[in-house]
Amino acid sequence: QQQVKQSPQSLIVQKGGISIINCAYENTAFDYFPWYQQFPGKGPALLIAIRPDVSEKKEGRFTISFNKSAKQFSLHIMDSQPGDSATYFCAARYYDKIIFGKGTRLHILP
Amino acid sequence: DARVTQTPRDKVTEMGQEVTMRCQPILGHNTVFWYRQTMMQGLELLAYFRNRAPLDDSGMPKDRFSAEMPDATLATLKIQPSEPRDSAVYFCASGSGPQETQYFGPGTRLLVL
Repeated sequence: QQQVKQSPQSLIVQKGGISIINCAYENTAFDYFPWYQQFPGKGPALLIAIRPDVSEKKEGRFTISFNKSAKQFSLHIMDSQPGDSATYFCAARYYDKIIFGKGTRLHILP
Repeated sequence: DARVTQTPRDKVTEMGQEVTMRCQPILGHNTVFWYRQTMMQGLELLAYFRNRAPLDDSGMPKDRFSAEMPDATLATLKIQPSEPRDSAVYFCASGSGPQETQYFGPGTRLLVL
């Protein structure tokens, strides 16, 4: 119940395309859903986050869609660029703890 | 440019040796987290502190791992004795409050032979 399930494990998208990563959860006590971006050799960095009372949040080319009833949320990267190639983690917060999904390795073809 | 620092960045050691990893949180942050990242398990929370007090270390193997915060500018994670299965990247993260954004350090890549 503390898990966050993330798919796909890896994703290849053409430059300019839309990258979509999906996550699902069970615990309705989660109160905050961040997405982290990690480049090789670096630590994860907060990309964008949403609270469960909001259905969508957009920051530049990055959008989170949140479906509370389905307990699902997704990250959309519009106009994907080679610089977006990284590993993306969805996550959920339970009190002080952040529970991470297993990650999606995204590769944008130039 | 405030950031979390970790030392060493890379560590290779032999099974049975003691390993100490250090973290300097961002100045003024009162919450510190230790994570372990592996291909199989992803990012796992090992332990975390608030105001230097340990709040939860349930993710940590108790018999060989220990985490401390000797002062507000230093957090340590020790493994004694180390085992090959401990090989992973260990991240420290800090935050300004219990529900604030966590900022990750660059990690310590540990290889136990």
